[in-house]
Amino acid sequence: DAGVTQSPTHLIKTRGQHVTLRCSPISGHKSVSWYQQVLGQGPQFIFQYYEKEERGRGNFPDRFSARQFPNYSSELNVNALLLGDSALYLCASSLSADQNQETQYFGPGTRLLVL
Amino acid sequence: AQSVTQPDIHITVSEGASLELRCNYSYGATPYLFWYVQSPGQGLQLLLKYFSGDTLVQGIKGFEAEFKRSQSSFNLRKPSVHWSDAAEYFCAVGAVNTGFQKLVFGTGTRLLVSP
Repeated sequence: DAGVTQSPTHLIKTRGQHVTLRCSPISGHKSVSWYQQVLGQGPQFIFQYYEKEERGRGNFPDRFSARQFPNYSSELNVNALLLGDSALYLCASSLSADQNQETQYFGPGTRLLVL
Repeated sequence: AQSVTQPDIHITVSEGASLELRCNYSYGATPYLFWYVQSPGQGLQLLLKYFSGDTLVQGIKGFEAEFKRSQSSFNLRKPSVHWSDAAEYFCAVGAVNTGFQKLVFGTGTRLLVSP
């Protein structure tokens, strides 16, 4: 079975641009979460989506937005890119939205470089 | 708020030697605890998790971890390290009472394996 997939694998953007990252969850999983991992740090929670609705949001500015589609895939959008947005963006999926009793399975990530 | 501390940034172990990676968490009630491994350029793979019950948890690849409430610790161990274990290891705690799934990660410990 395919795991969590993310596209693209790498991306280079310039300051001020916007970017869209994509994630496909494991088949049957309805919850998708996004994390940002800056070099040398642990991942930080950005969003959780379940059944196409935002369930939770981390401490990130409004430049970050996301959505989930009827097939449970998800997009993360970041507007007005800053140098500090350079990071590995990880997507994780789980079966349901139960608070942390469901294991989250992570994709390989999209590495974003902002110049 | 929950937090996780991994006091060792880097650890070097000889191949075949035993390993212990430290993790301390901050949370009042029984936490949901996880260990993930990240190989270079890869996403996160779940090694093991603790929700309740037996405080010694077995995981994949020969890893185990022990939950010690009195010490607020969840240290990861392996009796004999293989060169392929070289990677970054993250301890995480599931944030509760938020209404959504959110993992709080430590800053990670990079494991180097010497021949």
